[in-house]
Amino acid sequence: AQKITQTQPGMFVQEKEAVTLDCTYDTSDPSYGLFWYKQPSSGEMIFLIYQGSYDQQNATEGRYSLNFQKARKSANLVISASQLGDSAMYFCAMRVAGGYQKVTFGTGTKLQVIP
Amino acid sequence: DAMVIQNPRYQVTQFGKPVTLSCSQTLNHNVMYWYQQKSSQAPKLLFHYYDKDFNNEADTPDNFQSRRPNTSFCFLDIRSPGLGDAAMYLCATSPPGHLVDYGYTFGSGTRLTVV
Repeated sequence: AQKITQTQPGMFVQEKEAVTLDCTYDTSDPSYGLFWYKQPSSGEMIFLIYQGSYDQQNATEGRYSLNFQKARKSANLVISASQLGDSAMYFCAMRVAGGYQKVTFGTGTKLQVIP
Repeated sequence: DAMVIQNPRYQVTQFGKPVTLSCSQTLNHNVMYWYQQKSSQAPKLLFHYYDKDFNNEADTPDNFQSRRPNTSFCFLDIRSPGLGDAAMYLCATSPPGHLVDYGYTFGSGTRLTVV
């Protein structure tokens, strides 16, 4: 079975500073993908970044980067230069090749950016 | 732009009165999912379709049904909504599961209120 753990229910960060949101995962499948989604208060789920289990380099997308440590089974999201619009719920998620299609979500971290 | 569209964005229904939520996609993805998300919780998978094959999660109540008349459309029917069914309902699509580098594409969600 696959499992995603997000241990930070809530985080605060000062505007313009960087913040790291933690995510650990567990799977026995060697082929998997890790994702981060942002969910503002309006409710839509917005894809942020993807990391494949065989990728040698950490993924980056603009201000978002994924700190992938395979041996530790962690996939932390780093947001640089936080903006007020970054205030939202953030979900870490995983999909495995051997799984039957579904993506497993963590419980989420609520990030609040302080002016 | 290819996308996933959910209608309506907000739905108010009476206790016990059947309600249908709709989802359409222009991505031509094989797989469509319905998730229920209650406040401050992770999305919970209700069921999914792989093409016409329906897959129900073991803990999805019988009160929830789904239809997929064609590749583009999928419906969620709640036969007798209770107060506990008030939630955000998210539709998502994806290519087949062996393509782990593809996550979900989500619709904007339907927020259901039961009065």
